[in-house]
Amino acid sequence: DQQVKQNSPSLSVQEGRISILNCDYTNSMFDYFLWYKKYPAEGPTFLISISSIKDKNEDGRFTVFLNKSAKHLSLHIVPSQPGDSAVYFCAASPGYQLIWGAGTKLIIKP
Amino acid sequence: DADVTQTPRNRITKTGKRIMLECSQTKGHDRMYWYRQDPGLGLRLIYYSFDVKDINKGEISDGYSVSRQAQAKFSLSLESAIPNQTALYFCATSEGQVNQPQHFGDGTRLSIL
Repeated sequence: DQQVKQNSPSLSVQEGRISILNCDYTNSMFDYFLWYKKYPAEGPTFLISISSIKDKNEDGRFTVFLNKSAKHLSLHIVPSQPGDSAVYFCAASPGYQLIWGAGTKLIIKP
Repeated sequence: DADVTQTPRNRITKTGKRIMLECSQTKGHDRMYWYRQDPGLGLRLIYYSFDVKDINKGEISDGYSVSRQAQAKFSLSLESAIPNQTALYFCATSEGQVNQPQHFGDGTRLSIL
C-alpha cells in the first residue's frame, strides 16, 4: 500500500508557464516533506522541503504548498525552463526514514 | 569529483552469484543509506546506517546485507542474486536528522539473468 502517491506519471508544460506537480499521502504522522529532482543516469538531488507546521515554502522559482487536512502537497515551478525537464519525486518522513512517491516526469516544451 | 561515488555503475550477472555494490563518500556525513528503484515505484529503503556501529534494516532488507567499513564506506551485498533483484540501486548520505537532505550517488544498474 503506497503511503505517498504521485498520481501523474508525466506532465507536459510550455516553457515559461507554471508547472504544478502533485503528491498525496495517507499517513498523518508524516512531519516533513521533501521534493527531489532526478535527471537520467544521475541520482536524485534535493530541491525543496517543508515542515508540517508550515503551509508554504518558497525558494526562487520553486514553491511547495502543504494542505494537511487534505493530506496533499504540491510543487509549483514558475516560470518553467527547459532545464526543469526531469523526474520529480515527493518524499515524506515519519521521523526515521523517507517514504518516496513513484515520481512524475516533467517535460518542458519549447 | 563526485561527493558520493557508487561502483560499479552497471553490472550484469547470473542467478545465484554473490554481488557487492560499493559506495564511498567525501561529504563527511555519518548517515548512509541504500535504496533500490524499480520502474513505476519510488525509492525503497534497503538498509541504513547512522554511524559505523549502527546498522538498521529498511523496508526491503530480505536477500541483502550491508557492511559499514568506515564512516566513508558503505557496501551492499546480494549473497545469492535472484532475477527480481534486478533494479537501479542508489546510495545516499545525510547529516543529522532524517529531515536533512540526502545526497545521492549516480546509481548502479544491476541486471540478474
